[in-house]
Amino acid sequence: KQEVTQIPAALSVPEGENLVLNCSFTDSAIYNLQWFRQDPGKGLTSLLLIQSSQREQTSGRLNASLDKSSGRSTLYIAASQPGDSATYLCAVRPSGGTSYGKLTFGQGTILTVHP
Amino acid sequence: DAGVIQSPRHEVTEMGQEVTLRCKPISGHDYLFWYRQTMMRGLELLIYFNNNVPIDDSGMPEDRFSAKMPNASFSTLKIQPSEPRDSAVYFCASSLYPLGTQYFGPGTRLLVL
Repeated sequence: KQEVTQIPAALSVPEGENLVLNCSFTDSAIYNLQWFRQDPGKGLTSLLLIQSSQREQTSGRLNASLDKSSGRSTLYIAASQPGDSATYLCAVRPSGGTSYGKLTFGQGTILTVHP
Repeated sequence: DAGVIQSPRHEVTEMGQEVTLRCKPISGHDYLFWYRQTMMRGLELLIYFNNNVPIDDSGMPEDRFSAKMPNASFSTLKIQPSEPRDSAVYFCASSLYPLGTQYFGPGTRLLVL
């Protein structure tokens, strides 16, 4: 059974810092990995989707890397801003079978960026 | 597009009552997913549909839960009878492709007393 772990559980940084969020998964047989953002009381917003054949994806100040063989992904946020404060979740999708739609989520990292 | 629409946004009910949650996916999306989020268990997939047909319902906790998708623009998740341990936020998501990005609705916050 796939298990996804995110470290740290919470992170507080001053505005302007670069930071890294970590995600690890136990089964490397994945099709892709997705990073989401969740604001309090809201749904999830997709940030980046990285295919298993890719090493990284970038969108603006965000960069996600994937090392499938070691079961790790990182989300790098450059020049953090108070508006980046949210919970960040990673989710993996298995390869093959009828479980292709089944995302397995980590517990998330709660990020606070203070002015 | 308005995105994924869920109703109601909040529901408070008493144990034993029937609860129906509703979802309208993004137009043209053939895949619809129901998730449950709790502090203890995080975000879990309950069931998903492709072209209105349930594909994987292995995450449905027990027979008290049922989900239907009568047409491409509407789905329901029903709990009967409800129990306090069903209290959670229930999310609906849809996607255009089976392996593509899932777009989430705002969720329904359910409290069973």
